[in-house]
Amino acid sequence: SYAVTQPPSLSAAPGETARITCGGNNIRTRRVHWYLQRPGQAPVLLIYNVNNRPSGIPERFSGSISWSTATLTVSTVEAGDEAAYFCQVSDTTGDLPVVFGGGTQLTVL
Amino acid sequence: QLQLQESGPGLVTASETLSLTCNVSGDSVSSTDYYWGWIRQSPGKGLEWIGSIYGKMYYNPSLRSRVTISVDTYKNQFSLKLSSVTAADTAIYYCANSYSNGYWYFGHWGRGTLVTVSS
Repeated sequence: SYAVTQPPSLSAAPGETARITCGGNNIRTRRVHWYLQRPGQAPVLLIYNVNNRPSGIPERFSGSISWSTATLTVSTVEAGDEAAYFCQVSDTTGDLPVVFGGGTQLTVL
Repeated sequence: QLQLQESGPGLVTASETLSLTCNVSGDSVSSTDYYWGWIRQSPGKGLEWIGSIYGKMYYNPSLRSRVTISVDTYKNQFSLKLSSVTAADTAIYYCANSYSNGYWYFGHWGRGTLVTVSS
C-alpha cells in the first residue's frame, strides 16, 4: 500500500516561515490533505486537496506539491502554531484509500 | 453546525469486542453528503484510518477481518465494532466524516475517546 513520510520534528522562531514536508512516490498524482493537532485535542483540517483552506483557517497556512513532496507552509509562525501536523493522502488506486503520515511536531522557539 | 461525539467503554478485556458509538448532531447520518468513519491514534503515535461507511463499507485491509461499521438512522448514530482486541488496539478512537466527493478528507471530528485493552 501507499506510504508517506514526514520529518518527526521541526522548529521555527516566531515570525519565521515553517515548511513541513510529506514525501511519497508520485505524490503529485494523489490528493493531499493536512491536519493540525494540539495536545489533548482532535485533529483539525487545515488544507484539503493540496492547497484549499476550509473556512476559518488563516491564509498563513498554505499547501503546495511537487512530484515527490507535498509541503505545508506556515507563514509568520506564531506561538499558537506549536502542534503536531499530519499529512494525509487519498489513494483510490489501491485498497487503502486513506493513508496518514507519521506527523511532524512543530516547536515554536 | 455538524458535531460528532464518541461514546463507549473506556476499558475492554483482551480477546473481547470493542464497541463504540458516534452520535451525530447538526445533520442526518442518512445524508448523502458524507462518509462516516473511524480513525484511531495509539498513545504518542500517528493516526490510523480504521474504516468508513457510505452505503457500503470501506475498511483498512489490516483490520478488515475484525471491523464492522454500521449506521443507525433512527438514533442518528454510527458504530464501530472491533473484535478480538489485543493491547495493540489501545488507542484514542475518533469518529469523523469525509465528504462524498470521494476525496477522503475529514472535515469534522469527535473529541475522541480513549480505549484501553487490559489483559
